[in-house]
Amino acid sequence: GAGVSQTPSNKVTEKGKYVELRCDPISGHTALYWYRQSLGQGPEFLIYFQGTGAADDSGLPNDRFFAVRPEGSVSTLKIQRTERGDSAVYLCASRRIYGYTFGSGTRLTVV
Amino acid sequence: AQKITQTQPGMFVQEKEAVTLDCTYDTSDPSYGLFWYKQPSSGEMIFLIYQGSYDQQNATEGRYSLNFQKARKSANLVISASQLGDSAMYFCAMRGRNTGTASKLTFGTGTRLQVTL
Repeated sequence: GAGVSQTPSNKVTEKGKYVELRCDPISGHTALYWYRQSLGQGPEFLIYFQGTGAADDSGLPNDRFFAVRPEGSVSTLKIQRTERGDSAVYLCASRRIYGYTFGSGTRLTVV
Repeated sequence: AQKITQTQPGMFVQEKEAVTLDCTYDTSDPSYGLFWYKQPSSGEMIFLIYQGSYDQQNATEGRYSLNFQKARKSANLVISASQLGDSAMYFCAMRGRNTGTASKLTFGTGTRLQVTL
């Protein structure tokens, strides 16, 4: 597609549940990033994929967070046993050479 | 470690006036890139302008220019002839060149710009 697509745009889940957030990058972009943006803050890095592999996962806050990109295009961010503190906007970005293109994000609310 | 500081939580500017949004940074990388993004209420991060640390001239993109002062470690965004549609959050971000810093952008906390009539 023309841009980075993220689904769902909004997700409300109960504390303790499992959620999956999807990112569909721009075709041909080999680099893919996940960021988390809490209210009133700038985006914080979570994980970076180069192709299918996670090249840098240093931003994942704990082992409840996991992300995959099995075929080098679509990526899924998975959060287990969600907590209220996980509520945020999760942004995905893809990059070919220099420019990062961001999606509109998934707003996750844990109640 | 890299750090971006934006000290202006909110700014007001009158339509058609110019406004400067401040950004200072800290890094130990000898080479780095600086970015500005606009985030309207829709949530998407829109790329505005890029400055490489070794670029000889300050970057300009239409009404946006970057006032890069390397010795002061500042990269302020100047928006000329403000328009109502410029009302949004603005984020300064940095990417390094070394392993560990080259793969990701580090963002500041942002400045909310409100353009008034």
